Amino acid sequence: QLQLQESGPGLVKPSETLSLTCTVSGGSISRNNYYWGWIRQPPGKGLEWIGSMYYSGSTYYNPSLQSRVTISVDTSKNQFSLKLSSVTAADTAMYYCARSVVVPAAFDYWGQGTLVTVSS
Amino acid sequence: DIQMTQSPSSLSTSVGDRVTITCRASQSISSYLNWYQQKPGKAPKLLIYAASSLQSGVPSRFSGSGSGTNFTLTISSLQPEDFATYYCQQSYSAPFTFGPGTKVDIK
Repeated sequence: QLQLQESGPGLVKPSETLSLTCTVSGGSISRNNYYWGWIRQPPGKGLEWIGSMYYSGSTYYNPSLQSRVTISVDTSKNQFSLKLSSVTAADTAMYYCARSVVVPAAFDYWGQGTLVTVSS
Repeated sequence: DIQMTQSPSSLSTSVGDRVTITCRASQSISSYLNWYQQKPGKAPKLLIYAASSLQSGVPSRFSGSGSGTNFTLTISSLQPEDFATYYCQQSYSAPFTFGPGTKVDIK
């Protein structure tokens, strides 16, 4: 059974960089035909796709965040990571990592989520 | 970006009722429409992908239909565990966007 688990600091100061890692177990991140992505949800609000990547390194970002986002993969550790720079209070959210099949790009496996608060 | 809207935003209903939620896209997305269920404090769960395909393990009382810009999620007979928030999501083109959600609660 595929499992995803987010990890990283729960508190980040304004203007600093948010860094999260998603560890995948029960399956290889290097399998063909899957994207690995990040989605966030501010408290009490809806879902926002941040970006996705293929194990080969190809990345797709939400244009609204593209200038601040980097998603990378470490296939040797079966992990992928999110970095979001210059954070503000508006970046406070539950951050989820998830897998999607390339087509039709539905997110079929999700991590439990990790709450990141941006505050001094 | 493709904008997604959902109606209603919330509905109060009873166990055993038939529930229909509508999702509309700002442009044609063919059948690239997915539905998720989210319960408080939990990650979203994929119910329906490609507009009408039932995700493995999801009860058959859930069904999806539509193509182009108009889509529906139907729960044929609402069960106690179905009280949750439901989101649609388009996967036709990046950025992949979600609808604002429909909260289904107990009347």
